[in-house]
Amino acid sequence: QKEVEQDPGPLSVPEGAIVSLNCTYSNSAFQYFMWYRQYSRKGPELLMYTYSSGNKEDGRFTAQVDKSSKYISLFIRDSQPSDSATYLCAAGETSGSRLTFGEGTQLTVNP
Amino acid sequence: NAGVTQTPKFQVLKTGQSMTLQCAQDMNHNSMYWYRQDPGMGLRLIYYSASEGTTDKGEVPNGYNVSRLNKREFSLRLESAAPSQTSVYFCASRVLNTEAFFGQGTRLTVV
Repeated sequence: QKEVEQDPGPLSVPEGAIVSLNCTYSNSAFQYFMWYRQYSRKGPELLMYTYSSGNKEDGRFTAQVDKSSKYISLFIRDSQPSDSATYLCAAGETSGSRLTFGEGTQLTVNP
Repeated sequence: NAGVTQTPKFQVLKTGQSMTLQCAQDMNHNSMYWYRQDPGMGLRLIYYSASEGTTDKGEVPNGYNVSRLNKREFSLRLESAAPSQTSVYFCASRVLNTEAFFGQGTRLTVV
């Protein structure tokens, strides 16, 4: 079983839609969680970083972590064509050096 | 500020050839990583170096070797390339418990 599971999609939505991206994880030692965005033929770039449980908002993006259910979510409001990319969730332990990534979800926002 | 720099950007190898992928970071990060990214597989950790002088295997280390040359540089070597090693390779660096910064990737094709 992978430590971080993510539905690969693809996901296609109309412009302006609310997008929900999700991951589950199995390692209880994971304490911090990230969402990366990766455009085609580019390296991943950090979108959101959260520590432990709770919500974090940054503009149109909201990251949620529910440690009780081992569930990570990213919400994108008022989605734009420029949001079309692959979104990767990642998790790490505070005492370890490894970051474990989900498979990535390919999102297309149609004008 | 260059961040994480990978060379080369593209490479075609014949089966059995060897090559070294270079990675350098200028952010004074302790930890460095090599990932490979394949369709439907997400980012898989090959090797990582938690600090200068240490290296550890990741999820898919077979067929690869690494060298942490100094704090800035972390190289990945393929001793005898195989078609199964055709992939996009990403180097990353970070400070413990923070986000990872990625290079732009090396697209490797083994024929």
